[in-house]
Amino acid sequence: SAVISQKPSRDICQRGTSLTIQCQVDSQVTMMFWYRQQPGQSLTLIATANQGSEATYESGFVIDKFPISRPNLTFSTLTVSNMSPEDSSIYLCSVRSGTGGDTGELFFGEGSRLTVL
Amino acid sequence: GQNIDQPTEMTATEGAIVQINCTYQTSGFNGLFWYQQHAGEAPTFLSYNVLDGLEEKGRFSSFLSRSKGYSYLLLKELQMKDSASYLCAVLDSNYQLIWGAGTKLIIKP
Repeated sequence: SAVISQKPSRDICQRGTSLTIQCQVDSQVTMMFWYRQQPGQSLTLIATANQGSEATYESGFVIDKFPISRPNLTFSTLTVSNMSPEDSSIYLCSVRSGTGGDTGELFFGEGSRLTVL
Repeated sequence: GQNIDQPTEMTATEGAIVQINCTYQTSGFNGLFWYQQHAGEAPTFLSYNVLDGLEEKGRFSSFLSRSKGYSYLLLKELQMKDSASYLCAVLDSNYQLIWGAGTKLIIKP
């Protein structure tokens, strides 16, 4: 299993500001995934963060809005830039089980609940 | 397009059995996951099916029929702590996870 710590757990932000979410894993992982979950909705993958290369973004998400850093194999950050109320959501960091390969189960951080006023 | 369907909400009684269905249409298939998510918490892994049939794990069982694009999660001897959302997710041919919207399960005494 993997233990994932996310910070902050929640925050209230003003429109137009930016916030960086940190994700720390207790073991080295190749890929880290950033998800968004809006109230009452499913998980939506924002991007996959690979160590040593640029993140891979899903359709509808762009680097200028959600810049990602991946300085090493245990840490990543997601920044939500120029926030608007539509960005109010839970942001989740996730990694895949080390033993399952591409079919391994996902482990999730506790999530960061952002409210944008 | 890719699609995962599961009921939005279900209600069951403590001690009873409930079956949560999931149907999917995806570009390829590399397995189906069930996750449990309590309100305000992160999802946690319940099961993974890649072959047809029933996988039993304690009070929880998961079934898969690949030919029908269908799975269900069976919860027995329901407890109040089972009140949560249950998420179905399919791994497509590119090993991308496609998530359902989740089924909110309400357990009544």
